[in-house]
Amino acid sequence: QVQLVESGGGLVKPGGSLRLSCAASGFTFSDYYMSWIRQAPGKGLEWVSYISSSGSTIYYADSVKGRFTISRDNAKNSLYLQMNSLRAEDTAVYYCARVRQQLVPSFTRWFDPWGQGTLVTVSS
Amino acid sequence: SYELTQPPSVSVSPGQTASITCSGDKLGDKYACWYQQKPGQSPVLVIYQDSKRPSGIPERFSGSNSGNTATLTISGTQAMDEADYYCQAWDSSTPFFGTGTKVTVL
Repeated sequence: QVQLVESGGGLVKPGGSLRLSCAASGFTFSDYYMSWIRQAPGKGLEWVSYISSSGSTIYYADSVKGRFTISRDNAKNSLYLQMNSLRAEDTAVYYCARVRQQLVPSFTRWFDPWGQGTLVTVSS
Repeated sequence: SYELTQPPSVSVSPGQTASITCSGDKLGDKYACWYQQKPGQSPVLVIYQDSKRPSGIPERFSGSNSGNTATLTISGTQAMDEADYYCQAWDSSTPFFGTGTKVTVL
């Protein structure tokens, strides 16, 4: 079955860096866009970034632009999020999610499934 | 930035119908989807393309979208439906999530 497993979370000091990984299985990883979405403790969902199937198209939320870098290795069925210059407000559970899409008759995308998440805590 | 607004909470009695709204500018011109998140768990897709149910999602979940409002309806609500629900739509190649609604089954 389709499975996404995140890893790499932990405690890091403000200004520090962390690299998250998401291992995918049960589907042809290279066929799908992938995304990172986060959720601060007790808060709602916030989209972070997504990457196209080939890696050629990438989008970031304004809140992480210039600090976070999304990437993928289709040979390893893996998605990554390099997080630099971390701030307290980046503290959250980070989920990876597969992006499903329909292009015709009208464009739309949705996230399905989601991984179990990995907690990133930024604190001194 | 595109804003999607949901009521913070909705209460419903077992067996009754719960309706959760999601409001956004001309939301009806876009597709909306809905996610269910139970405490300590990851979000699960329950509705996509306004009204389609993924495999495995009970028929009691339905969706609609028109004008500025998308609506998730849970008919015959069960105790297991108690959760947070988030709407989501795309604007200018960017996804936006709603503020979230806590559904309590009393």
